[in-house]
Amino acid sequence: AQTVTQSQPEMSVQEAETVTLSCTYDTSESDYYLFWYKQPPSRQMILVIRQEAYKQQNATENRFSVNFQKAAKSFSLKISDSQLGDAAMYFCAYLPSGTYKYIFGTGTRLKVLA
Amino acid sequence: NAGVTQTPKFQVLKTGQSMTLQCAQDMNHNSMYWYRQDPGMGLRLIYYSASEGTTDKGEVPNGYNVSRLNKREFSLRLESAAPSQTSVYFCASSEWSLAGGTSTDTQYFGPGTRLTVL
Repeated sequence: AQTVTQSQPEMSVQEAETVTLSCTYDTSESDYYLFWYKQPPSRQMILVIRQEAYKQQNATENRFSVNFQKAAKSFSLKISDSQLGDAAMYFCAYLPSGTYKYIFGTGTRLKVLA
Repeated sequence: NAGVTQTPKFQVLKTGQSMTLQCAQDMNHNSMYWYRQDPGMGLRLIYYSASEGTTDKGEVPNGYNVSRLNKREFSLRLESAAPSQTSVYFCASSEWSLAGGTSTDTQYFGPGTRLTVL
């Protein structure tokens, strides 16, 4: 079965510092997509960044970047220059290519300390 | 642009009661989804509709039914609610698109419905 594991239930980071959230997944597929979603206290899920498995280059979106290690089945999210507004639950998600069945991890709660 | 809307925002039911959660999107997306979110378990897919006129089971479909009323609307029905269905329910829509030469799917979520079954 395909699974997504986020082993850090909670993380803290000082404002302006850098933090890395980890995600590993288990699949036998070679073609798939990976996502990081942010869920602030408002509960609204927001896409942060996505990565296509066939791309070796790591995706970046402003202060957010990923470290995608396909062989290790690892997809970590790095947040640089952390801001108070980054405080939220972060979910890692996996989507096999050609399907609609997203699989989400259990989430990591990120606290940003002023 | 409202995106994905859900009604109601909150609901309390008694065991055995039925209700329908409504979801609508105005982005002309083909695909729509229903998830439930429980503490410590992330989001789990209940049902999805790849396109108008089709629906398929997700990871946790038991106790639920869905209807893709038209391209905009996708409803989730609980015929006989149980306490185990107490959860936060999210609707989402998505569309495969080409961006920068890459085909990818992006989901947009509604604000969620908090359902309590007593």
